[in-house]
Amino acid sequence: DGGITQSPKYLFRKEGQNVTLSCEQNLNHDAMYWYRQDPGQGLRLIYYSQIVNDFQKGDIAEGYSVSREKKESFPLTVTSAQKNPTAFYLCASKSGRFNTDTQYFGPGTRLTVL
Amino acid sequence: GQQVMQIPQYQHVQEGEDFTTYCNSSTTLSNIQWYKQRPGGHPVFLIQLVKSGEVKKQKRLTFQFGEAKKNSSLHITATQTTDVGTYFCAVLVFNKFYFGSGTKLNVKP
Repeated sequence: DGGITQSPKYLFRKEGQNVTLSCEQNLNHDAMYWYRQDPGQGLRLIYYSQIVNDFQKGDIAEGYSVSREKKESFPLTVTSAQKNPTAFYLCASKSGRFNTDTQYFGPGTRLTVL
Repeated sequence: GQQVMQIPQYQHVQEGEDFTTYCNSSTTLSNIQWYKQRPGGHPVFLIQLVKSGEVKKQKRLTFQFGEAKKNSSLHITATQTTDVGTYFCAVLVFNKFYFGSGTKLNVKP
């Protein structure tokens, strides 16, 4: 998991503003993922990408957008349309395309919308 | 989508006691993975199980995959304060991970 970086660690924004969370990996992994975690909750999938220039919606994609222009980068934009954006956001990556591959997580970004 | 139910939600134990968390699915799973998330941290991969009836051990941790591949368990023997955190099971299906809701373990010294 040391090969995935997320910045910043803490982020504060005013309601109504869009904000972009950074995720970079140097593991040469094909697949990348964004999850949202609320206090005391599990991980919910927002978006995922299996290859450059391609991505799919997860279970809670409304109010979020992503891009995958480079293999190493998978930024997440939290838009003003997201009703309750305050949460812990985790980025992850996975090598290969097999159902036996493991997932590596970045340190996460804690977003607080004031 | 794939549903993985995990119980219990919370577990408070005295240091030295054992701990077990369970994951159950209504469908047959091809694999199951376990992750640990320390307070304030991010999930870290522990292990993956793929074979029916598989049992794997990591020091005081024992992982089992059911014979029907519909359930799995993580057992910690003689818990220590370093075991504190939330334990998640996860299933990988067609490049999507489905996580259980997690079991939060608190160990009292």
